[in-house]
Amino acid sequence: RKEVEQDPGPFNVPEGATVAFNCTYSNSASQSFFWYRQDCRKEPKLLMSVYSSGNEDGRFTAQLNRASQYISLLIRDSKLSDSATYLCVVGYSSASKIIFGSGTRLSIRP
Amino acid sequence: ETGVTQSPTHLIKTRGQQVTLRCSSQSGHNTVSWYQQALGQGPQFIFQYYREEENGRGNFPPRFSGLQFPNYSSELNVNALELDDSALYLCASSLAGGDANYGYTFGSGTRLTVV
Repeated sequence: RKEVEQDPGPFNVPEGATVAFNCTYSNSASQSFFWYRQDCRKEPKLLMSVYSSGNEDGRFTAQLNRASQYISLLIRDSKLSDSATYLCVVGYSSASKIIFGSGTRLSIRP
Repeated sequence: ETGVTQSPTHLIKTRGQQVTLRCSSQSGHNTVSWYQQALGQGPQFIFQYYREEENGRGNFPPRFSGLQFPNYSSELNVNALELDDSALYLCASSLAGGDANYGYTFGSGTRLTVV
């Protein structure tokens, strides 16, 4: 079983739609959680951190459920520019590393 | 403030050869992590260097090795290249021995093709 699992997609949705991504992690020692965005043939870039209380950044909302070891990302009013691969990432301060899921590909159509 | 730079950007090697990839960390960062990203997959952790020593390693064979220099730049060396080593190799710099809460900054990667 992979340490971080995501639905690979692709998700193909119309502009303006709401789309949700889910992610599960297997190691309960995970201490920090993030969503990264990766455009085609580019490096990953931090989209947002994920906190237990849930957090929002504009059209993006992230949730964490430690009991279920589950992370989610919600994108509202999607734009063409949101087309990318979204990577779920967990961090281990004690092990000094971050681990990536395989990514979920999102394509927004006009 | 300079970001993370990697060189070369693209590379083609023959099976069995050796390759060295280079990474300059972001100004002020003292930790460098290397990742391998195969097509359609997420980045896989290779290893991390902190204070010029290996500070954690993923599930990669010994033919993947690295160095960190006093200026915090780093090299990834791969010996006896195999076809499956073809991938995008990403370098990420960070602070404090890779504590995720301090943030990771990625370079744009080196795309290695083994033929």
